[in-house]
Amino acid sequence: TQLLEQSPQFLSIQEGENLTVYCNSSSVFSSLQWYRQEPGEGPVLLVTVVTGGEVKKLKRLTFQFGDARKDSSLHITAAQPGDTGLYLCAGVFNDYKLSFGAGTTVTVRA
Amino acid sequence: EAQVTQNPRYLITVTGKKLTVTCSQNMNHEYMSWYRQDPGLGLRQIYYSMNVEVTDKGDVPEGYKVSRKEKRNFPLILESPSPNQTSLYFCASSLSAVVWNSPLHFGNGTRLTVT
Repeated sequence: TQLLEQSPQFLSIQEGENLTVYCNSSSVFSSLQWYRQEPGEGPVLLVTVVTGGEVKKLKRLTFQFGDARKDSSLHITAAQPGDTGLYLCAGVFNDYKLSFGAGTTVTVRA
Repeated sequence: EAQVTQNPRYLITVTGKKLTVTCSQNMNHEYMSWYRQDPGLGLRQIYYSMNVEVTDKGDVPEGYKVSRKEKRNFPLILESPSPNQTSLYFCASSLSAVVWNSPLHFGNGTRLTVT
């Protein structure tokens, strides 16, 4: 049973479109992280959100942590082919334990 | 260059033949961890180590062993591999075990096939 549910599992869009990836759980997390993984490589941390309701922006990427700290979303504006990859959310609880979602595979077509 | 290095990148073996996947980091990180990644299941933690000679089980430790004799190395040992251990394995390290403020750095993965 996955502690963190990500949706959708797959997402294919045209360059220039917007997209949103969701990460939901029934558990409360002390913080939540988003990673991007490209084929043949390990995941790379994009952001950590800590406070309920927090919004962080990283260029065209906007990350939001739910008020109850049980969910998060990643929104990409004007997606580019370089945004293609597997996006993973990971919930942190007890400061030491990281639990990953199954990931959302994003494909941006030129 | 700061990195986590895993070897080998690809490994095909047969059931029951002991194997070791090596992991080394050059960042003087205290915390190291092994994950396996399977389609639809995400990354699941196998074992982790908070420092030299300190190791503990993660979520899926059965069939695996680890050791942490030196700070930089954290090998993953499969004493008797079975087909259900066919997976993509990642080693990761971070400065401390407090993961929310100490980012995990991942290696590039080892794809293991057990026939």
